[in-house]
Amino acid sequence: DIQMTQSPSSVSASVGDRVTITCRASQSISSWLAWYQQKPGKAPKLLIFPASSLQSGVPSRFSGSGSGTDFTLTISNLQPEDFATYFCQQANSPLTFGGGTKVEI
Amino acid sequence: QGQLVESGGGVVQPGRSLRLSCAASGFTFSAYGMHWVRQAPGKGLEWVAVIWFDGTTKYYADSVKGRFTISRDNSKNTIYLEVNSLTVDDTAVYFCARGRGEYVGGHYYYYMDVWGKGTTVSVSS
Repeated sequence: DIQMTQSPSSVSASVGDRVTITCRASQSISSWLAWYQQKPGKAPKLLIFPASSLQSGVPSRFSGSGSGTDFTLTISNLQPEDFATYFCQQANSPLTFGGGTKVEI
Repeated sequence: QGQLVESGGGVVQPGRSLRLSCAASGFTFSAYGMHWVRQAPGKGLEWVAVIWFDGTTKYYADSVKGRFTISRDNSKNTIYLEVNSLTVDDTAVYFCARGRGEYVGGHYYYYMDVWGKGTTVSVSS
């Protein structure tokens, strides 16, 4: 199975900051990576798939990049509603997720 | 966009069984593969199983293979997860999610674009 390693596990930031989250795959997955946002007690929300394609309705301050084994999710101009946990997921079966990054105040 | 509502969770003893359900609305259910994903308390997400749009193909995570069974009834817009021989490690919130994917070069790449709010399974003696 492909292992996904996310870093950092948590990050403290302020409104207006730029935050970068990294996801590394144990083998090349080309661009077949998704990013999700999850708020406490809620279902995950799809942000990006594949690696750099923003889903409809997702604010443009979110962006994704990378290919092969190294990927990043960047949140520019952090807004109050962006404080949440973010997960990456590689798209080959069996699907695997990163451990998550909590973005907190 | 679509809506998914899970049910069937509860508190059960180790070794017992449960049947989880996920009712879909607002989209053409029979056109989509469907997934189950779980999240143990304070932990990350773990993919559990997928069933293709017509129910002919199913895949499972190694951690549940042989104990869990995914199925669907397209006439009822519902998928199910039969969970047997439960252990404390199966304690989690179980989410169902609508599957999407890309078929490229003979390979299928999966992601999930609509999620339910989850149903909680707690295994305890």
